[in-house]
Amino acid sequence: KQEVTQIPAALSVPEGENLVLNCSFTDSAIYNLQWFRQDPGKGLTSLLLIQSSQREQTSGRLNASLDKSSGRSTLYIAASQPGDSATYLCAVRAYSGAGSYQLTFGKGTKLSVIP
Amino acid sequence: EPEVTQTPSHQVTQMGQEVILRCVPISNHLYFYWYRQILGQKVEFLVSFYNNEISEKSEIFDDQFSVERPDGSNFTLKIRSTKLEDSAMYFCASSQGQGENYGYTFGSGTRLTVV
Repeated sequence: KQEVTQIPAALSVPEGENLVLNCSFTDSAIYNLQWFRQDPGKGLTSLLLIQSSQREQTSGRLNASLDKSSGRSTLYIAASQPGDSATYLCAVRAYSGAGSYQLTFGKGTKLSVIP
Repeated sequence: EPEVTQTPSHQVTQMGQEVILRCVPISNHLYFYWYRQILGQKVEFLVSFYNNEISEKSEIFDDQFSVERPDGSNFTLKIRSTKLEDSAMYFCASSQGQGENYGYTFGSGTRLTVV
C-alpha cells in the first residue's frame, strides 16, 4: 500500500527566503505526482503536476522535482511571500488494481511566511 | 479556468439524517472522485466513478454511502444515515483521463458537520 510522508510538518520562514518542502513515497511505481496548496478551511489548488517520466516542473517561483527511484519529490519555493502561507500537500497517483488509479496524499507541510 | 463546483459549502445535519453532497465536475472530464478530510488528518480516497459506474471504492465507502450521476453534469454523494464520525470536509474531483499527463482538479469542498 502506498504511503506518502511529508517533512517537515510545519515550517516558518522570514519573507524573501527560499525554501524546500519534502515528500517521500514508498512505492516507486507511480504515474504522476501533484503538489497542491490548501488554505485553511478551503479546497485543494493544484500547483504542479510531474509525470513519472519527468524530473521536474516549474511554474513561476515554484519548482518541483521528482526522483522516482528514491521515492522522493521536493517543492522549491523561491523568494517566499506572506501570501505563500498555506498547507502544501503532496499526492502520488498510482495504479491501484481493478483498472483504477488513486491519489494518495501526504499529511502536508504547513508553511508560514513571516513579513 | 474550468472549475469543479461543490454545493453546499457547509452543511450541518443531525445524526441519522440523510445528506446529499453535490458536485459539478469539469464538463469534458470523464473520471470523477470523492475524497474526504477529517480535521487534522490526511485527505482520504472514498470512491472513483467512470462510465456511470463505480470503478473503485475504499473501505470507508460502506453501504451507507452511494454516488450517482443523475444527469450529464451533476455528480452526487449520498450518506444515508449520518454518524458523528462522518463529520469532515468532502472534496469532489475530476480528471480528463487516466494517463500520467492527467492531474486531478478538486472542488472547494463541502464541510459536513454531524451533530
